[in-house]
Amino acid sequence: DTGVSQDPRHKITKRGQNVTFRCDPISEHNRLYWYRQTLGQGPEFLTYFQNEAQLEKSRLLSDRFSAERPKGSFSTLEIQRTEQGDSAMYLCASSLVKGRGTDTQYFGPGTRLTVL
Amino acid sequence: DAKTTQPNSMESNEEEPVHLPCNHSTISGTDYIHWYRQLPSQGPEYVIHGLTSNVNNRMASLAIAEDRKSSTLILHRATLRDAAVYYCILRDVGSGNTGKLIFGQGTTLQVKP
Repeated sequence: DTGVSQDPRHKITKRGQNVTFRCDPISEHNRLYWYRQTLGQGPEFLTYFQNEAQLEKSRLLSDRFSAERPKGSFSTLEIQRTEQGDSAMYLCASSLVKGRGTDTQYFGPGTRLTVL
Repeated sequence: DAKTTQPNSMESNEEEPVHLPCNHSTISGTDYIHWYRQLPSQGPEYVIHGLTSNVNNRMASLAIAEDRKSSTLILHRATLRDAAVYYCILRDVGSGNTGKLIFGQGTTLQVKP
């Protein structure tokens, strides 16, 4: 079991640039979540996928943010025209959901974004 | 989503038990109680969850009040590696539930040697 992996682990960019992060979930997990965490705060939900379908987006996810999960495997999160306020840790989690029961989310190590 | 209330911080001595409380007075019948923890510079990690009955696993125990308005995460013997932020989260499995986790501020646990 390789766990959830994220790439890159760290990203420094200049304001106005575009950045893209990748998340590889645990194999055969059908749900994939993105969260954002700023210093001293708990993670905040951004969006999630059930297989390849994006089923919910937080109001935190402005038009500059887009996420995809082609073929229901890995996912990418792109931020266009980055702003200093986008500086945060971006966390990915995956889970296997069966029926209506609760699930356990497994988190990756995160990508730390710094916008200068 | 129902909210939880946790103390901001707690201290424990190494090898002693730790009881981390959580209040969730507005819990609904379809809310599961989940605990996650986050070690420094890592993503959150699942600890335990329960619905009505007390639960045990290799990491911890979860004691749930009879009225379900509060719960306690119990670490039986704290180690230095248990120093983390512990989050108590309610997960609704009713219709329309997305499964997203709503994190509060959590409890920062310090373990002293």
